[in-house]
Amino acid sequence: GAVVSQHPSRVICKSGTSVKIECRSLDFQATTMFWYRQFPKKSLMLMATSNEGSKATYEQGVEKDKFLINHASLTLSTLTVTSAHPEDSSFYICSATGQPTNEKLFFGSGTQLSVL
Amino acid sequence: AQSVTQLDSHVSVSEGTPVLLRCNYSSSYSPSLFWYVQHPNKGLQLLLKYTSAATLVKGINGFEAEFKKSETSFHLTKPSAHMSDAAEYFCVVSDNNNDMRFGAGTRLTVKP
Repeated sequence: GAVVSQHPSRVICKSGTSVKIECRSLDFQATTMFWYRQFPKKSLMLMATSNEGSKATYEQGVEKDKFLINHASLTLSTLTVTSAHPEDSSFYICSATGQPTNEKLFFGSGTQLSVL
Repeated sequence: AQSVTQLDSHVSVSEGTPVLLRCNYSSSYSPSLFWYVQHPNKGLQLLLKYTSAATLVKGINGFEAEFKKSETSFHLTKPSAHMSDAAEYFCVVSDNNNDMRFGAGTRLTVKP
């Protein structure tokens, strides 16, 4: 079946640095990718939706200058957390859909970000 | 390591009949469990969640799920299906470290 690879799985960084998270679709063309954030014991929060070749659509309350999303190809989307702070510590997960998966959604394995 | 198994990749029901989407989990800790729904080309929407409170959890749109520790199950049910319920449903387990594991999804088809 289709696979979405997300890296890194865990990252620890210092406050003020930037962190890039990659999400790759390994055997299908991901025309749409979603980025989510999850806090402990809470449900997933959709951060943004990105379509290949277009600017991402951010959900209300999500800072687009803080969370930079790039979806430049049909197999790769990146989320960059700029000038990370401890409150950005969270679990981030991507999901992708496209062709020929017929709109089925596939998930990455997630990235646990810890900002010191 | 934790994992989730959704036992049916596709479920088809008639409108007005009950819905049962099955989910079994494996976790070394007291897990949090979630059911999400995804409509085509949309993001996930939370239906309900279990976080060690009442074992019978009621969610939106008439859905509910029961946490059964002895059976390691968290099946999603609804007494009467609507056409608008046709979508993909995901069962998710989250452990104390906040790592999440998704099931492969169950596509629900509702026939008129």
